Amino acid sequence: DSGVTQTPKHLITATGQRVTLRCSPRSGDLSVYWYQQSLDQGLQFLIQYYNGEERAKGNILERFSAQQFPDLHSELNLSSLELGDSALYFCASSAWDSGADTQYFGPGTRLTVL
Amino acid sequence: EDKVVQSPLSLVVHEGDTVTLNCSYEVTNFRSLLWYKQEKKAPTFLFMLTSSGIEKKSGRLSSILDKKELFSILNITATQTGDSAVYLCAFSSGTYKYIFGTGTRLKVLA
Repeated sequence: DSGVTQTPKHLITATGQRVTLRCSPRSGDLSVYWYQQSLDQGLQFLIQYYNGEERAKGNILERFSAQQFPDLHSELNLSSLELGDSALYFCASSAWDSGADTQYFGPGTRLTVL
Repeated sequence: EDKVVQSPLSLVVHEGDTVTLNCSYEVTNFRSLLWYKQEKKAPTFLFMLTSSGIEKKSGRLSSILDKKELFSILNITATQTGDSAVYLCAFSSGTYKYIFGTGTRLKVLA
């Protein structure tokens, strides 16, 4: 158990819909990262937040957005969902923002878009 | 463009064998290289490497980084069936991005 929690565990929805994935980092960690893992793409970095501020963006679509709240939990919002958005979405956290911090991954949210 | 390449893509060995997994990278502003083990769930952290030539060890696993030649290796000795997993290599760059390789799938047969 990494100490990172994600909800929900599974999510099934239809194309065109909007969903919100939630992540609570390990106690004391200030950075939160979001990743998408699909069968054909591997693990893709989406976005990072540090202490409430966006720090880095990876391959995140414009239909996706995220935020980190004052209590440090984070939410990833996915809108206008397409079949290709079906994937496992991981959240990870680390203590700081040095780029040399160990990231601890949550159990993931499996999103299925029908 | 920053990228990381892992080899081999897949590996099947017998229990007791020693395996070496490779990770080569190209990055404009290297900060660290990380190894993860992923079974059916989330990746779990193995090692973080920031300096060349310093071996990190944890039980039967060890890893080393060569920043001149831009690669890292992960060694697993006396493999066990529980080592069967996908091993992911990743690095962080100066822009705080984390780039992951596609992984090496290791299967250890009893």
